[in-house]
Amino acid sequence: EAQVTQNPRYLITVTGKKLTVTCSQNMNHEYMSWYRQDPGLGLRQIYYSMNVEVTDKGDVPEGYKVSRKEKRNFPLILESPSPNQTSLYFCASSLFTPQGGLTDTQYFGPGTRLTVL
Amino acid sequence: SQKIEQNSEALNIQEGKTATLTCNYTNYSPAYLQWYRQDPGRGPVFLLLIRENEKEKRKERLKVTFDTTLKQSLFHITASQPADSATYLCALDPADRGSTLGRLYFGRGTQLTVWP
Repeated sequence: EAQVTQNPRYLITVTGKKLTVTCSQNMNHEYMSWYRQDPGLGLRQIYYSMNVEVTDKGDVPEGYKVSRKEKRNFPLILESPSPNQTSLYFCASSLFTPQGGLTDTQYFGPGTRLTVL
Repeated sequence: SQKIEQNSEALNIQEGKTATLTCNYTNYSPAYLQWYRQDPGRGPVFLLLIRENEKEKRKERLKVTFDTTLKQSLFHITASQPADSATYLCALDPADRGSTLGRLYFGRGTQLTVWP
């Protein structure tokens, strides 16, 4: 079954304690992306990756890091979380070409609800 | 400022009617535009992608149009059903064709309610 998995699904942490949210896809997709969704602000892109070792900033990259060492995994790292990073986070993946962009369905994971106290 | 406008936060229609949702943008010449459905607490589900050289695309009861002159996309659900009730999002890559693609901007969504 084609899927994007995220872990953990729920996380409550404290300010400044480094955390990693994992994302994995089993569809051999080139493209992976992280989004955050906040009430009234909608879905905003944090970082995206067009292939292994190729990443770029989205709309709201401040306070986040990513890496793409393998095609299937795209972890999101919060080095020093702050309360304004409390949000619902989604990982997604898609087939992709540099000239055509997302060429097909973008599959989203189930989401990670993060609370930073 | 909002990059993409979905001009109705909420739309209520009667079962069997056609729902029409609007997505407007201003400062871009996107190579393509996407539509998604999102249910509460769930990740968005991809519905349709339409490219700049396509005027219209259909999938079962769904139809999307893309007018690059008006900078607008319309999303239609014909013969709507209560099960179509959800939030619908549009998204576009702001880069021109010929530029490196991959960034995505989402609208804030339109919450559709179909009542029996």
